Amino acid sequence: AQKITQTQPGMFVQEKEAVTLDCTYDTSDPSYGLFWYKQPSSGEMIFLIYQGSYDQQNATEGRYSLNFQKARKSANLVISASQLGDSAMYFCAMRGLGYSSASKIIFGSGTRLSIRP
Amino acid sequence: GAGVSQSPSNKVTEKGKDVELRCDPISGHTALYWYRQRLGQGLEFLIYFQGNSAPDKSGLPSDRFSAERTGESVSTLTIQRTQQEDSAVYLCASSLDRGGAGELFFGEGSRLTVL
Repeated sequence: AQKITQTQPGMFVQEKEAVTLDCTYDTSDPSYGLFWYKQPSSGEMIFLIYQGSYDQQNATEGRYSLNFQKARKSANLVISASQLGDSAMYFCAMRGLGYSSASKIIFGSGTRLSIRP
Repeated sequence: GAGVSQSPSNKVTEKGKDVELRCDPISGHTALYWYRQRLGQGLEFLIYFQGNSAPDKSGLPSDRFSAERTGESVSTLTIQRTQQEDSAVYLCASSLDRGGAGELFFGEGSRLTVL
């Protein structure tokens, strides 16, 4: 079975500071992919970053980076130099990549990030 | 349009009625997902279609829920005998499923309110 856990329901961060959003996961699949999505108050889902379990380096996309620690089964999202527009819900997600096919993508419960000016 | 299209965007219905929600994925996307998102909560997996494989229905909460997909195109999610707890936003997403790395592209959702 697969499970994604986000333990921070809400966070407040001062503008321009860096912020880390926690995500831990559990899976029995030999390889897997990890995703982060952003959901602003408008409700749209915005893809941020992807990390494959066998990728040699941690993924980065602009101000977003993924702190992937395989032994700890964690995939924390780091946002550098936070901006007011970063205020949103953030979801961690995972897909198992089994021996023959990819499985469904499941999501964590989310973290609501609020950036203070 | 180029994105995932869902209809209706809003649906208000009475308890006990059946509803049908429609999703038009991005052309060429082999994978299609349905999720339910209750107010202020996370995305709850409902069902996953991948090409011609049997769908993963493991997330459907009861036999009142069913979904179909025609080939690699339109999908419909049907909720029979709706209950108030079915009130939520139903999100559809599609992806290319490029060896598992394909990101999900989401529609804007169908907001269902059951009175």
